[in-house]
Amino acid sequence: SAVISQKPSRDICQRGTSLTIQCQVDSQVTMMFWYRQQPGQSLTLIATANQGSEATYESGFVIDKFPISRPNLTFSTLTVSNMSPEDSSIYLCSVEGLVSDTQYFGPGTRLTVL
Amino acid sequence: AQTVTQSQPEMSVQEAETVTLSCTYDTSESDYYLFWYKQPPSRQMILVIRQEAYKQQNATENRFSVNFQKAAKSFSLKISDSQLGDAAMYFCAYRSPHTGANSKLTFGKGITLSVRP
Repeated sequence: SAVISQKPSRDICQRGTSLTIQCQVDSQVTMMFWYRQQPGQSLTLIATANQGSEATYESGFVIDKFPISRPNLTFSTLTVSNMSPEDSSIYLCSVEGLVSDTQYFGPGTRLTVL
Repeated sequence: AQTVTQSQPEMSVQEAETVTLSCTYDTSESDYYLFWYKQPPSRQMILVIRQEAYKQQNATENRFSVNFQKAAKSFSLKISDSQLGDAAMYFCAYRSPHTGANSKLTFGKGITLSVRP
């Protein structure tokens, strides 16, 4: 499986500010995914990032709030903009690995907004 | 749209015993993939087991096995010889056979498994 890292692992931010989360993979992958996991809840897909094209957002998530970059086949960023306490969550990136159709996850970023 | 249901929020098992976690799903597709992921308190999502719907044989990974009933749309996970390290939240997930943005995972709500020493 791919080795995936995320930065930062956790952060505490003030409302109204923005945070950019980085996701780095040790091999080239086509699809990268960003999920949100609110406290005690399941995972919800925010968007799918395909290299060289605009990210595809799920219903309820918009680009102005969660802009995503995918500059190459091993890296992506997710920005959480104009944060409010409701954005306090774990944010996870995932990729489809060498075994196709199977997603592997990064360690997650725990975000707390005060 | 596909849905995944995990109706048991919590379960407990004695160390060395066997436990079964339930999952049902709803889909109109004939081919798809099903997964169980484990999320310990460290929050890392770890793949436990993978099942391809077109394969009738149930997947097995060491102490973990599934009971895949396609007609009933049921996908339960059996953990044998439970260990303290198995304590975690377990998520059942569905993936359609499509590519690109349609290859997203749909997760159930998860079940918290505790292991009693």
